[in-house]
Amino acid sequence: DAMVIQNPRYQVTQFGKPVTLSCSQTLNHNVMYWYQQKSSQAPKLLFHYYDKDFNNEADTPDNFQSRRPNTFFCFLDIRSPGLGDAAMYLCATSSTRGSTEAFFGQGTRLTVV
Amino acid sequence: GQNIDQPTEMTATEGAIVQINCTYQTSGFNGLFWYQQHAGEAPTFLSYNVLDGLEEKGRFSSFLSRSKGYSYLLLKELQMKDSASYLCAVRDPSDDYKLSFGAGTTVTVRA
Repeated sequence: DAMVIQNPRYQVTQFGKPVTLSCSQTLNHNVMYWYQQKSSQAPKLLFHYYDKDFNNEADTPDNFQSRRPNTFFCFLDIRSPGLGDAAMYLCATSSTRGSTEAFFGQGTRLTVV
Repeated sequence: GQNIDQPTEMTATEGAIVQINCTYQTSGFNGLFWYQQHAGEAPTFLSYNVLDGLEEKGRFSSFLSRSKGYSYLLLKELQMKDSASYLCAVRDPSDDYKLSFGAGTTVTVRA
């Protein structure tokens, strides 16, 4: 059973049209991460939540926002997608209490047209 | 800040052994993770080390030395399906448990 679920798997959006990607987890992990990954590159951290504390990377564009309404859900909002935002977006979770894993969802591949 | 280094590429023959090294310099340390990623797919968790020593899981083993800021992933009895990118990541409790990645090592297994 999938433990970190991202929806949708594939998303096509128009240039400049706001889009939201979602991530849910059944692991009760208290840390959640959003990464952007472009072809042949390593995942680039956009931001992460440690419980409710939001941590934004210094080089994450203002165009990218996130919400975490509860432990299990986290959203990535792209306010005005540009062609350069086309990428795979990965959600991951980890726990600071006992668990030794950090899992990724299957990712959402975003296309901007 | 974080600095995580691993080789860019490695090539090995089917049935052989390959060792992928990872060195790190982070403000804090709360575990080192290894992931496998095939092209177009999400990373798959392979191993986690937080204490010094070797963790073995079937054909894959991972080693950690915290004093040296060093880890390696050992892949034994290589199979063609092991051709993938291998990512080293470090979790830093001094930065709210940020999980940072190295650039990844592309392993190509040849017949």
